[in-house]
Amino acid sequence: AAGVIQSPRHLIKEKRETATLKCYPIPRHDTVYWYQQGPGQDPQFLISFYEKMQSDKGSIPDRFSAQQFSDYHSELNMSSLELGDSALYFCASSPRTSGSWKTQYFGPGTRLLVL
Amino acid sequence: AQTVTQSQPEMSVQEAETVTLSCTYDTSENNYYLFWYKQPPSRQMILVIRQEAYKQQNATENRFSVNFQKAAKSFSLKISDSQLGDTAMYFCAFMTYSGYALNFGKGTSLLVTP
Repeated sequence: AAGVIQSPRHLIKEKRETATLKCYPIPRHDTVYWYQQGPGQDPQFLISFYEKMQSDKGSIPDRFSAQQFSDYHSELNMSSLELGDSALYFCASSPRTSGSWKTQYFGPGTRLLVL
Repeated sequence: AQTVTQSQPEMSVQEAETVTLSCTYDTSENNYYLFWYKQPPSRQMILVIRQEAYKQQNATENRFSVNFQKAAKSFSLKISDSQLGDTAMYFCAFMTYSGYALNFGKGTSLLVTP
């Protein structure tokens, strides 16, 4: 079965640079979610989109922005990167129009290292 | 705000044995969802099992089952016939019925030994 696709899988950036993470949800899933997982930590919710509109917002820094496009893929844009932004970034997707629409399926994650 | 507590940071079990991971949560909501996710060394987040709060019947997925006690706000995961591939970090997660964010516990690291 098709899974959530995230690119790139690994990314190395310098402080103050920008980064763009991409997420392609499972086909027919119209809701996407972004999470950040620091080393040894549990995932923290950043933001979610349903039908290209922001549906919920968590602890996302003002330096970060995200959007969902007409083909349902999503991008997380991160600017003025800091050392503390080094983490594993997950995208998840869920179907809206079924009984299990609240179930989130995670992608493999993007490992971001800020030097 | 909802909080999820996993009181066992680490657990160990022998292959073929049964192990139970505990999870408690705090919420004022009446309708919500509960999940267990597994994160092996590859760090992929894999859904193990889910439970909807309005359903009294405990969810089961093959060797994985839950004991959902709504009044006690408890949601434990039982793994039967443990396998080496079950070695992973297990996260309990909560989501309100109207929300989108998963609130995770700190996780329980499970080691299955031969």
